Amino acid sequence: GESVGLHLPTLSVQEGDNSIINCAYSNSASDYFIWYKQESGKGPQFIIDIRSNMDKRQGQRVTVLLNKTVKHLSLQIAATQPGDSAVYFCADPSTSGNTPLVFGKGTRLSVIA
Amino acid sequence: KAGVTQTPRYLIKTRGQQVTLSCSPISGHRSVSWYQQTPGQGLQFLFEYFSETQRNKGNFPGRFSGRQFSNSRSEMNVSTLELGDSALYLCASSFGLANEQFFGPGTRLTVL
Repeated sequence: GESVGLHLPTLSVQEGDNSIINCAYSNSASDYFIWYKQESGKGPQFIIDIRSNMDKRQGQRVTVLLNKTVKHLSLQIAATQPGDSAVYFCADPSTSGNTPLVFGKGTRLSVIA
Repeated sequence: KAGVTQTPRYLIKTRGQQVTLSCSPISGHRSVSWYQQTPGQGLQFLFEYFSETQRNKGNFPGRFSGRQFSNSRSEMNVSTLELGDSALYLCASSFGLANEQFFGPGTRLTVL
């Protein structure tokens, strides 16, 4: 089946540095992606999304880049803060198959003060 | 607008028992999806309901079932609990199918 996966299970960064979290997908027909942040003890929270007609989308301190050629997307967090420590998921809300929202297993971001 | 609520937040059961978890979606949302989250498998899709009908189902045994009521509230049931059913069960609601999903805080189920 289709899959969405993250390259690294954990990432540690110094406070103030930029963080980059990567994600690969396999469904070439995917046209919409969402990044979620899940803090300990909470459900995933929407961070930012991007559609396939865009290569880049910026939010507040976050940027998502989409490379459709290699089926890869990344989440960049500028000036990482302790509050950014969480697990980050990329998701593909495609309705193909039985899974409406395909998640990667997540990357745990740890911010070192 | 209130977010997605799930009850109970924590639950401890023993093997062989059954459990019912409840989810109240955001007002106006008609789609509710359920996910199981474990450290080893990550987030796995259980099922999705829209307008009281199950629209999608993941690869879980028949011990896992669910339903949706006319007010869009949803319940999921797990019968004959196994140790491996210990997990965080997340509910997510959306306005319609394939829309952005908003997650609840989850129900932490521990099976002893």
